[in-house]
Amino acid sequence: DAGVTQSPTHLIKTRGQQVTLRCSPKSGHDTVSWYQQALGQGPQFIFQYYEEEERQRGNFPDRFSGHQFPNYSSELNVNALLLGDSALYLCASSPYSSGRNEQFFGPGTRLTVL
Amino acid sequence: SQQGEEDPQALSIQEGENATMNCSYKTSINNLQWYRQNSGRGLVHLILIRSNEREKHSGRLRVTLDTSKKSSSLLITASRAADTASYFCATLGNTGGFKTIFGAGTRLFVKA
Repeated sequence: DAGVTQSPTHLIKTRGQQVTLRCSPKSGHDTVSWYQQALGQGPQFIFQYYEEEERQRGNFPDRFSGHQFPNYSSELNVNALLLGDSALYLCASSPYSSGRNEQFFGPGTRLTVL
Repeated sequence: SQQGEEDPQALSIQEGENATMNCSYKTSINNLQWYRQNSGRGLVHLILIRSNEREKHSGRLRVTLDTSKKSSSLLITASRAADTASYFCATLGNTGGFKTIFGAGTRLFVKA
């Protein structure tokens, strides 16, 4: 049973570019959340997707957008990249039936913006 | 801003000793969770304690929750070198939302 997978593992972009990160949830999970983790900090909630809709959003600008597909996989898009967007981006999945409980995290995508 | 604040920021102990990490938060919660992260990789869920619970155990882990003080502690007994990691508390508010808020973490180093 595969856990949460994310791609790519690492990514280097330059300021102003756009990036798309991908996540496949754990089998049986239908809810996907995205987090940004800066070096030495805890993860910060970007948004959560359920039934292909953004269910809740954290304090991130509109440059951050997402999508969830019918197979529950998800993408995180970041436009007009800034140096400060350099971070580890984590995807987490959970089954809706568990309510708002534990999440299963992927290994993350490390984004470097030059 | 992050709600959970862990204390200490870093902890270095010998193998076999106990490690205690504390977490404080600001608003009412539905539950509080502890996660472990090894070397900047994905987080692993350790334990969840609900707002109406005071203590939970899982293997060598013991978590307490004091909602009157808005604080929690994680105790790892008989620590091992493999416990070396960052530990984060995360809170889910009781307003019906889905936003989990993480603290900045405690870096634990267990010396063999």
